[in-house]
Amino acid sequence: DAGVTQSPTHLIKTRGQQVTLRCSPISGHKSVSWYQQVLGQGPQFIFQYYEKEERGRGNFPDRFSARQFPNYSSELNVNALLLGDSALYLCASSLGQGTSPLHFGNGTRLTVT
Amino acid sequence: QQQVKQSPQSLIVQKGGISIINCAYENTAFDYFPWYQQFPGKGPALLIAIRPDVSEKKEGRFTISFNKSAKQFSLHIMDSQPGDSATYFCAAQSGGSYIPTFGRGTSLIVHP
Repeated sequence: DAGVTQSPTHLIKTRGQQVTLRCSPISGHKSVSWYQQVLGQGPQFIFQYYEKEERGRGNFPDRFSARQFPNYSSELNVNALLLGDSALYLCASSLGQGTSPLHFGNGTRLTVT
Repeated sequence: QQQVKQSPQSLIVQKGGISIINCAYENTAFDYFPWYQQFPGKGPALLIAIRPDVSEKKEGRFTISFNKSAKQFSLHIMDSQPGDSATYFCAAQSGGSYIPTFGRGTSLIVHP
């Protein structure tokens, strides 16, 4: 059974550029969440989508946006990249009901130079 | 504001020893407390979770102890093995929110 897949695995961008990260959830999971993980810290919540609707948004600037497609896959977009956006971006899927556990992908390592 | 405080930041134990990681929370609405294990280059994976209606949950060598009145919970790893070397995150979630809040993580190293 395939887990959560994220692409690309690594990405190098320069300041001011835009980036799109992609996530495919576990089959049957209707919710996708995005987290930013800076080295030495826990995952910080960015967005959660359920059935293609935004269900939650963390404390991130409007440069961050996301969407969920009819097949429940998701994209995270970050515009006007800053050096501080360098991090591991994690996608997690879940059934999306109650306190169903999160299943994380291995992340996209974004480096902004 | 850090809603879930985790300690220690790093932990070194000998093979066969007991590893103990502690977390504390403020929000009394939290009612689900999972622990995640993360190896280098991998995403976090759910290890074990507890709800506040029980004071302890054990799965193999891993045990969660929960103290509702003190708003604290801890992960105990018995007979720690080098393969347990990883970063461990506690988290807390309320039934009305589908979004867990994570602690900052504990880097565990188990020496052979």
